[in-house]
Amino acid sequence: KAGVTQTPRYLIKTRGQQVTLSCSPISGHRSVSWYQQTPGQGLQFLFEYFSETQRNKGNFPGRFSGRQFSNSRSEMNVSTLELGDSALYLCASSLAVGPGNTIYFGEGSWLTVV
Amino acid sequence: KQEVTQIPAALSVPEGENLVLNCSFTDSAIYNLQWFRQDPGKGLTSLLLIQSSQREQTSGRLNASLDKSSGRSTLYIAASQPGDSATYLCAVLDSNYQLIWGAGTKLIIKP
Repeated sequence: KAGVTQTPRYLIKTRGQQVTLSCSPISGHRSVSWYQQTPGQGLQFLFEYFSETQRNKGNFPGRFSGRQFSNSRSEMNVSTLELGDSALYLCASSLAVGPGNTIYFGEGSWLTVV
Repeated sequence: KQEVTQIPAALSVPEGENLVLNCSFTDSAIYNLQWFRQDPGKGLTSLLLIQSSQREQTSGRLNASLDKSSGRSTLYIAASQPGDSATYLCAVLDSNYQLIWGAGTKLIIKP
């Protein structure tokens, strides 16, 4: 079955703009989480959604937001882009929440802010 | 605050060798520990998940151990192959139900 799909794979934006990234989880998965990966900070948790509700949020400014739709697809939005937002944004899905659930990652969206 | 450390940052070994990657964490209050691999420019692939009540997990040539009391985990790779070359990351699911990540170990297996 299809894995986690993220779009777009690559994008370039200008400082001050906003961006929306999309994630389609594995069919049947209801939990979606987002992560930011940079060379300096490594992988950091952004937020997690389950059944359209944000269950958890990492330590990121309010410019970072997300949502989940009834079909479990998720989007994340970054407003007023800064150079430091340049990163690989990874989406992951799992069947449910809970420590026993394996998470599956998409290939990520590479964002460059110039 | 939970911190996860992986040593070494990089490792290069000849094909066929057995090797151990290390992961340490500062707070033993974790739900689980997971090992992932990441190939260049790609997402992450889950390798092994160890629940907090477990001591080890095995999958093929991979074996991961967990010692919560000492805050340590090891990933043992037997009979390494060039295809094992990747960055290996460990992550702990902390008491806030967030995955806290190590910086990874970049592994190169020389043919």
